[in-house]
Amino acid sequence: QQQVKQSPQSLIVQKGGISIINCAYENTAFDYFPWYQQFPGKGPALLIAIRPDVSEKKEGRFTISFNKSAKQFSLHIMDSQPGDSATYFCAASPLAGGTSYGKLTFGQGTILTVHP
Amino acid sequence: ETGVTQSPTHLIKTRGQQVTLRCSSQSGHNTVSWYQQALGQGPQFIFQYYREEENGRGNFPPRFSGLQFPNYSSELNVNALELDDSALYLCASSRAHARANEQFFGPGTRLTVL
Repeated sequence: QQQVKQSPQSLIVQKGGISIINCAYENTAFDYFPWYQQFPGKGPALLIAIRPDVSEKKEGRFTISFNKSAKQFSLHIMDSQPGDSATYFCAASPLAGGTSYGKLTFGQGTILTVHP
Repeated sequence: ETGVTQSPTHLIKTRGQQVTLRCSSQSGHNTVSWYQQALGQGPQFIFQYYREEENGRGNFPPRFSGLQFPNYSSELNVNALELDDSALYLCASSRAHARANEQFFGPGTRLTVL
């Protein structure tokens, strides 16, 4: 019940295209859903995050769509650029104050390649 | 604002040895979490430290232990190293009781066990 399932495993997009990565979860105690971007040899960098009280959050070219009833959320990267080529991880964290607060459960990752 | 730093960058050990990894949290942050990231996988939560005490633990054996110091820096200790312990070890800092569990990661320590 703690798993977060991420798809696709890898994604190839042309420059200017839209990249879409999907995640699904089972644990209804999850209350915070961040996306991380990781370049080779680096630690994950927080990209954008959402809480279940909204269905969409946009920051620049990055948008999170959240479907609470389906327990799914996705990352959309508009106007994808070669510099966006990296591994993307979705994650989820339970409610504040719970015994598992602070524990991020990560998806398996998506390797995004944006061709020029 | 100083980000999360980790040392050393790389480390090579042999099976059965012990290792200590270090982390300095981002300024203003009082909570440190440790994660293990195997090659090609997402990070796995090891444990979290707040107020110098362990505050939650993932599915890792007791030979994984940690410390947090009054300045909020932290250490991860692994005893009796096994080949499967080879991974990138990530430290993340955050503010306790913040509305959102925003965790900021350091660059990691790459541990190789031979």
